[in-house]
Amino acid sequence: KAGVTQTPRYLIKTRGQQVTLSCSPISGHRSVSWYQQTPGQGLQFLFEYFSETQRNKGNFPGRFSGRQFSNSRSEMNVSTLELGDSALYLCASSSLESSYNEQFFGPGTRLTVL
Amino acid sequence: AQSVTQLGSHVSVSEGALVLLRCNYSSSVPPYLFWYVQYPNQGLQLLLKYTSAATLVKGINGFEAEFKKSETSFHLTKPSAHMSDAAEYFCAVSGGGANNLFFGTGTRLTVIP
Repeated sequence: KAGVTQTPRYLIKTRGQQVTLSCSPISGHRSVSWYQQTPGQGLQFLFEYFSETQRNKGNFPGRFSGRQFSNSRSEMNVSTLELGDSALYLCASSSLESSYNEQFFGPGTRLTVL
Repeated sequence: AQSVTQLGSHVSVSEGALVLLRCNYSSSVPPYLFWYVQYPNQGLQLLLKYTSAATLVKGINGFEAEFKKSETSFHLTKPSAHMSDAAEYFCAVSGGGANNLFFGTGTRLTVIP
């Protein structure tokens, strides 16, 4: 099976712009989670989607949003970009609902905000 | 609430020496615990997971971890370090029906030849 894929791998934007990142989960996986990784804050949970519904949300402002499509592919959007949004954004998929199922991570999208 | 604390942001060991990376957790519900490894410019790869089936968990690449409830610990060990083990290691916890992970701040492992 192909792993989790994320596009694009690298992105440069300027403050005030918006950005959309894409994640394709492992075939058959219905849960997709997004994480932000920064040197200062580490790995932080953004949100999780399961069957096109947001099931869980971390402590991030409303500028961060996401959605999931019927094929389980997910996108996250960040509007009105700030310098502090520069980070590695990781997507992870898992196959079942229960919390102990391992999450498989993609390679991430590195976003730089200038 | 759930959280993990990783003691030591940087650990250096000689090739062939024991690797010990420390993780302590806090959880109001029975926890599920994970260790992930991250190589430069890559995502996270699962090393092993604890899901209450056995307290000593064996993972990939010769790593193992022991769940100790009395000490709220889940330390990662490997008997003999290899140069390829140099990476950043993250401990994570989930539970309570939620599928999101709470990560520690990570430990960067350096292996000295």
